[in-house]
Amino acid sequence: QVQLQESGPGLVKPSETLSLTCAVSDYSISSDYYWGWIRQPPGKGLEWIGSIYHSGSTYYNPSLKSRVTLSVDTSKNQFSLKVNSVTAADTAVYYCARQYITSGLYFDYWGQGTLVTVSS
Amino acid sequence: EIVLTQSPATLSLSPGERATLSCRASQSVSSYLAWYQQKPGQAPRLLIYDASNRATGIPARFSGSGSGTDFTLTISSLEPEDFALYYCQQRNNWPPGITFGQGTRLEIK
Repeated sequence: QVQLQESGPGLVKPSETLSLTCAVSDYSISSDYYWGWIRQPPGKGLEWIGSIYHSGSTYYNPSLKSRVTLSVDTSKNQFSLKVNSVTAADTAVYYCARQYITSGLYFDYWGQGTLVTVSS
Repeated sequence: EIVLTQSPATLSLSPGERATLSCRASQSVSSYLAWYQQKPGQAPRLLIYDASNRATGIPARFSGSGSGTDFTLTISSLEPEDFALYYCQQRNNWPPGITFGQGTRLEIK
């Protein structure tokens, strides 16, 4: 059973950088899947942020691309998200998930999510 | 970019009834469409992928159909635990990416 666990600060100041890590357990991050980030503002729907392959290949939501960086550390079996210049609009529950590399690029295993609040 | 529109926004039904949820794409997505269920305080769970295939462990009362631009998630006989939010999701070829619908809330009548 694949397990994912997000970690990082729950409070970030405006204009600063949001940084989260997703630790993957019981499954090798070097297997043939993408690893993605999705967020959900309070009371709103799901927004895909970006995805990364174990080789470091990435693709991002065009609306966030200028502020987002994904990275992967295969030695630690984890991947990370950075969002810079955050505003209150970046307040959301952030999920990491395993993602198919074929067909519809679906997310089949998810972390429990972590709430990040942007506030001074 | 392909836009997914879900309807209705809210569906009020009773346990034992049949639920029909719709997801319409602004252009053809072939059969590359998934459905997720989300309960309060939980992560989404993959229910259906490639429009009609149940994910591992998903009960048979959940079924998906459609192709091209019109898709349907059907729950044949609602159980109390089925009242939740449901999202559809597809992939964009260009620009490459992922899009979710805005969601349908299935509530107890």
